[in-house]
Amino acid sequence: QVQVVQSGAEMKKPGASVKLSCKTSGYTFTTYGINWVRQAPGQGLEWMGWISTYHGNTLYTQKFQGRVTMTTDTSTNTAYMELRSLRSDDTAVYYCARGFSWSPDYWGQGTLVTVSS
Amino acid sequence: QSALTQPPSASGSPGQSVTISCTGTSSDVGGYNYVSWYQHHPGKAPKRIIYEVNKRPSGVPDRFSGSKSGNTASLTVSGLQAEDEADYYCSSFADSNRLGVFGGGTKLTVL
Repeated sequence: QVQVVQSGAEMKKPGASVKLSCKTSGYTFTTYGINWVRQAPGQGLEWMGWISTYHGNTLYTQKFQGRVTMTTDTSTNTAYMELRSLRSDDTAVYYCARGFSWSPDYWGQGTLVTVSS
Repeated sequence: QSALTQPPSASGSPGQSVTISCTGTSSDVGGYNYVSWYQHHPGKAPKRIIYEVNKRPSGVPDRFSGSKSGNTASLTVSGLQAEDEADYYCSSFADSNRLGVFGGGTKLTVL
């Protein structure tokens, strides 16, 4: 069965960077891309971007361009998302999810990132 | 790109039907049959319940159905059950950046 397991909660100071991981299993990793979506406290879902696990091509939403980098490691079936120059309003639950860049199907459990001085 | 527009809340009694709308533009909802709906219980991972406007993934009850007319997509939940109480999000392909865009979410309350 398809499984998507994310790394644990992080606490960061403003200005720092965070790199989250997303390990998948139960399917051929390079068949589906990986989306990254976040949800700030009390807010809705927000798309951050998508990476092709086959080519490594990325699509980032304009809001995160220049501040986010998505990568994959096909040897471990793991995707990564690094967000830099963290601000307090980056405090959110970050989800990775397998699928097309407009319709992820299997989602990870989420990683809480708290940004606070 | 701008978020799709959903009503912030909806409600219905057990056994009733409720419909949630999702309005976009011709550059997203209206231009492509790539509308999905997600059910999100707080603290859990979102679950895709509809894709490509009206297709249900395996295991999703047929009480959930999707449709689209012009720039507005809709999710109908028939025979409401207590476990349907959750947040529901629509999403669509957006040709501005070839990524998806979400609606603001609708909190469904089962009275």
